[in-house]
Formats: sequence, structure tokens, C-alpha cells
Amino acid sequence: AQSVTQLDSHVSVSEGTPVLLRCNYSSSYSPSLFWYVQHPNKGLQLLLKYTSAATLVKGINGFEAEFKKSETSFHLTKPSAHMSDAAEYFCVVSDPGSSASKIIFGSGTRLSIRP
Amino acid sequence: GAGVSQTPSNKVTEKGKYVELRCDPISGHTALYWYRQSLGQGPEFLIYFQGTGAADDSGLPNDRFFAVRPEGSVSTLKIQRTERGDSAVYLCASSLGTGVNSPLHFGNGTRLTVT
Repeated sequence: AQSVTQLDSHVSVSEGTPVLLRCNYSSSYSPSLFWYVQHPNKGLQLLLKYTSAATLVKGINGFEAEFKKSETSFHLTKPSAHMSDAAEYFCVVSDPGSSASKIIFGSGTRLSIRP
Repeated sequence: GAGVSQTPSNKVTEKGKYVELRCDPISGHTALYWYRQSLGQGPEFLIYFQGTGAADDSGLPNDRFFAVRPEGSVSTLKIQRTERGDSAVYLCASSLGTGVNSPLHFGNGTRLTVT
């Protein structure tokens, strides 16, 4: 069975400093992994996705994530935080070829940015 | 182009009433998903349509919940005899591809409050 764990419910960083949002997954197969961002009162927006190509994935707004099979991790990073990055971030896992019900969302990490 | 549109954005109803939530997917997207997001949680899968048919409804919590997509475009999520525990944000998403690895495009959600 698949699962995804976001290790921090809330992360707070200062503007201009690096961001690290942690995600660990469990999957019986080679999973596809995604990060979505949700700004207040807005729909979820895809940041980036990993589907068994390059292990370092670059997304929008300067975010990137690295797939590490040995650590079953897919942490999201950004070198320098901006105030507009404040939002809720969700890590998502799915097994290729599985049904839609097997797209599993993590519980989310709220990112706050201090001026 | 237009994104996924959900109406209403907010719905307050009394316990025991019937509600309908509407989703207008991106034109041409054959796959449509409904999710439910409770406070502090990630989205939970409810039902998935491929065209007009419900390809996977395993996430519907009970028989009070029902969804239709009669013409393969607009979908309506219907909840009978609402309970306070149904209060949540209901999210709709659509995707172009048929595989679960096609990125999901989300609407802004309908916030349902059952009093």
C-alpha cells in the first residue's frame, strides 16, 4: 500500500533563506511523486512532478525536489524564500497504472515566511 | 484559458438538507476528480470520472454521496441528508490524460458548512 508522510506540519523561514519541506513515501512500485502548492482560498497548483526520469526535478517559482530511492524521500527545496511562497504545500504519491483512488496526498506543510 | 470552475464557492446548509456542488472542468479534459479536504488535512479522494462514467467511486464515504457527469463535461456532487461531519472544502480537478500521472488541475473548491 502507498503512503506519504510530510514530516513537518509547519515550517517558518526568513525571507531570502533556504526552504526545505520534507516528504517521505512508501510504495510497492516505482512511484510517481508530485508537489502541489495551495495559497489561501485558491486551488492547488502543481509545482513539479517526478515520473522515473531525472531524479532532480525542477519546478515553477524556483522550487526543486530530489527523488532519493534509498531514503524513500522527495524533499522540496528552494534556495531563497520569497514572501509570496507563503502557502500550504502537499506531497503526493501515486503508483503508475494504478487507479485514481491511489493518488495519495500528504497532510500538508504550512510554510510561513518572516520578513 | 479558463481553469476549473467550482460553484458555489461557499455553501451553508442545515443538517438534513440536500446540497449540490458543481464543477466545470477545463475544456477537453476527459478525466474529472472530486476530493474532500478537511481542516488541517490533505485532500481525500472521493470519485473519478473518465468521460461520463464513474471509473472509481471507492472514496465516497457512504450512500448519501453521489456524483454525476451526464455529458462528460460538467459534474455535480450531490449530498443527501447532510451531517455536520460533511463540513469540508470539496475540490474538483480535471486532467487531460487518462493516466493517473497526468497533472491534476484543481478548482478553488466549494466550502461546505453544515449547521
